[in-house]
Amino acid sequence: DAGVIQSPRHEVTEMGQEVTLRCKPISGHDYLFWYRQTMMRGLELLIYFNNNVPIDDSGMPEDRFSAKMPNASFSTLKIQPSEPRDSAVYFCASSFGAGTTEAFFGQGTRLTVV
Amino acid sequence: GQQVMQIPQYQHVQEGEDFTTYCNSSTTLSNIQWYKQRPGGHPVFLIQLVKSGEVKKQKRLTFQFGEAKKNSSLHITATQTTDVGTYFCAGRNRDDKIIFGKGTRLHILP
Repeated sequence: DAGVIQSPRHEVTEMGQEVTLRCKPISGHDYLFWYRQTMMRGLELLIYFNNNVPIDDSGMPEDRFSAKMPNASFSTLKIQPSEPRDSAVYFCASSFGAGTTEAFFGQGTRLTVV
Repeated sequence: GQQVMQIPQYQHVQEGEDFTTYCNSSTTLSNIQWYKQRPGGHPVFLIQLVKSGEVKKQKRLTFQFGEAKKNSSLHITATQTTDVGTYFCAGRNRDDKIIFGKGTRLHILP
């Protein structure tokens, strides 16, 4: 397996634009997590899915953020409209079980909103 | 809300010296995991501790889980330049929420 695959690796966009981040989890994993990492706030859990169903989205900062998982092999995190304070590295991770086994992280998407 | 505090935030050590990072939770954890993130990289799983008082070793790394399952530590003996990176603990609470500490960034001075 190629591991968790995220795209794009880097994204630069203007304030107000819509941004879509994509993630392909490891085949067979039933949990998928979206994290945001900044120097100030560290690694924050935004939302996670179990068997494609959102379980906890309490970490999603505001209504501008939305996440979907239409099937077991694909998830998106959308920011609309984007703001400069959304600039961060966004990681997707997948695991078999929630916190009972290791989580495998993707390479991350570095988002810059100017 | 529940927090997982990790200290220190930064640590500079001379190559060959030991290093320790500590993780403390405000509530009892079901388990705790440790991850390492190299500069510019992504977090990579190191180990998971589940039992009260558990101690696990991986070569020069020693991981401990406190008796009350509220704290944990990672100790590296005789650091090497390959140990550079940020070390995160991630605690799973009774509600199955996973909370990451802010990490300890380790710098090795040659």
